[in-house]
Amino acid sequence: DGGITQSPKYLFRKEGQNVTLSCEQNLNHDAMYWYRQDPGQGLRLIYYSQIVNDFQKGDIAEGYSVSREKKESFPLTVTSAQKNPTAFYLCASSIDRRTGASTDTQYFGPGTRLTVL
Amino acid sequence: AQTVTQSQPEMSVQEAETVTLSCTYDTSESDYYLFWYKQPPSRQMILVIRQEAYKQQNATENRFSVNFQKAAKSFSLKISDSQLGDAAMYFCAYRRAGGATNKLIFGTGTLLAVQP
Repeated sequence: DGGITQSPKYLFRKEGQNVTLSCEQNLNHDAMYWYRQDPGQGLRLIYYSQIVNDFQKGDIAEGYSVSREKKESFPLTVTSAQKNPTAFYLCASSIDRRTGASTDTQYFGPGTRLTVL
Repeated sequence: AQTVTQSQPEMSVQEAETVTLSCTYDTSESDYYLFWYKQPPSRQMILVIRQEAYKQQNATENRFSVNFQKAAKSFSLKISDSQLGDAAMYFCAYRRAGGATNKLIFGTGTLLAVQP
């Protein structure tokens, strides 16, 4: 089945640790995104990547890092510099609008719940 | 900056009845897209319906339809014949057409309860 997978589903981090959240897609989508969701709020964009080996900061990139070495994969690292990392993290992907897709809707993975102990 | 507002934190509907969720947005752009996403207890975001701003016709997907009022910057979601499986958090989202990013701007969500 085509889709977006995220792992792990639950992740616990100790203070001062870096952790990496996995996001993989087999939809052949060019663009990938990371969002953060906090209680009572909508999603906020952390980072996005429109093509391999390129990525851009979103609205709340501080304390996070990403890489895009393969089209299928867009891992997110939550560093110790992120002051309040406990949240629900969602990965999404879409067809690159530059190919001419008119709506390139974003499709989401199942998410990772990160808790700082 | 673009913003999306959902003024109903919670709504409730009886099974088989119709409910309308409200969404307003603010933008100076003329070309954009609007979306409704559903987030059930599993927390996965599921696309419900999308609307292109340049289309006057309201989008419809089975029991889900929108009332898109471009001049009023309003984008409400109507769910007909509500089912227990419709119970979820619903998010309205905006995306500018073109530009350097496909960033979605989300509202804060409306929690829909469906009563049997």
